[in-house]
Amino acid sequence: QVQLQESGPGLVRPSGTLSLTCAVSGGSFSTGYWWNWVRQAPGKGLEWIGEIYHSGDPNYNPSLKSRVIISVDKSKNQVSLKVSSVTAADTAVYFCARTKWQQMVYYGLDVWGQGITVTVSS
Amino acid sequence: EIVLTQSPGTLSLSPGERGTLSCRASRSVSSSYLVWYQQKPGQAPRLLIYGASSRATGIPDRFSGSGSGTDFTLTISRLEPEDFAVYYCQQYGSSYVAFGQGTKLEIK
Repeated sequence: QVQLQESGPGLVRPSGTLSLTCAVSGGSFSTGYWWNWVRQAPGKGLEWIGEIYHSGDPNYNPSLKSRVIISVDKSKNQVSLKVSSVTAADTAVYFCARTKWQQMVYYGLDVWGQGITVTVSS
Repeated sequence: EIVLTQSPGTLSLSPGERGTLSCRASRSVSSSYLVWYQQKPGQAPRLLIYGASSRATGIPDRFSGSGSGTDFTLTISRLEPEDFAVYYCQQYGSSYVAFGQGTKLEIK
């Protein structure tokens, strides 16, 4: 059974860069799956950050695109997220999640990590 | 980009009652890419419904989804205590994922 585990610093300084990693274990990393980052500010709803295919082809939320880089390391079965020039508004729980496509059917984000809390503060 | 608006913001019901949650899109979307999630406090979201009406693996049949075009509905036929949570609709299109703002289903 596939599992996702987010890791990274829990505290980032304002104007700095937030860097997180999602480790994928127990399942295929390749064909049919996209890998997403989603965040949730305290007491707020879900905000999609972006997605990437195993071949390294990312799509981003236009509202964050100028500050976000999502990359993939197939050799390690890992997906990474970098958000630059962070402010307090970037304080959130960050989730890694898998999008499943199978025979052209979109199943949505079917597997999620537990999430990691990141606070932006000096 | 498509905007999804969920209503009501909060729904207060009792166990055993029927819950009806709405998701309206700012323009017509393909039902193939309309998804519903459940989220409980301190947990990651859980996939409930994909393709507007297909239940994900392991989801009880008291959960059902319907709709097309701009209007979609998640129905919980008989609420169980574990169903009280926040529910999100989500749409995928043009390499973009949009979430609704959520409906909180609380115990009356």
